[in-house]
Amino acid sequence: DAGVIQSPRHEVTEMGQEVTLRCKPISGHNSLFWYRQTMMRGLELLIYFNNNVPIDDSGMPEDRFSAKMPNASFSTLKIQPSEPRDSAVYFCASSPQGIFGQGTRLTVV
Amino acid sequence: QQPVQSPQAVILREGEDAVINCSSSKALYSVHWYRQKHGEAPIFLMILLKGGEQKGHDKISASFNEKKQQSSLYLTASQLSYSGTYFCGTVGFGGTSYGKLTFGQGTILTVHP
Repeated sequence: DAGVIQSPRHEVTEMGQEVTLRCKPISGHNSLFWYRQTMMRGLELLIYFNNNVPIDDSGMPEDRFSAKMPNASFSTLKIQPSEPRDSAVYFCASSPQGIFGQGTRLTVV
Repeated sequence: QQPVQSPQAVILREGEDAVINCSSSKALYSVHWYRQKHGEAPIFLMILLKGGEQKGHDKISASFNEKKQQSSLYLTASQLSYSGTYFCGTVGFGGTSYGKLTFGQGTILTVHP
């Protein structure tokens, strides 16, 4: 198994642009989590899905953030419009164990 | 509700032992332990599901006290490769906690030769 796959690994974008992060969970895992990691705030849970259904999105910081999981093998996290304070590493993880992808390092300039 | 880890940082010499604690104010279904090295993703170490369960992974083991809502990670005869930040993640029971994996603030472990 290739593990949890995220793309892109790095993204640099200008303020105001739309950013889409992608995640492919491990086959057979029924839960998927999106986290944001910064030095100041640590690992923050943004949203999680169970069987493709969003269960808790209370961690999504603003309406600029949205996430979808159209099927069991794919999820996206979208930021529109992006702002410099969105700069962070975004991780996707799938469960039951909570296996992390390699992350996307987002820089908004 | 995020779990709370202690201590915040540990400095060891090779061969020494360490214990990292994780506690929650809510009833727990499972506890997950990870190690993260700088610039890398958290690596899953182990999951504990039952009260009183203990698990081991090489010289790293953990226990889970369901009644006290606490878990401890034990690192024995530490090696240089153990250096990194250790996170505990917890999943609660029912309601808004169901299936929700949230993380403590992390414990920075540094092993010196």
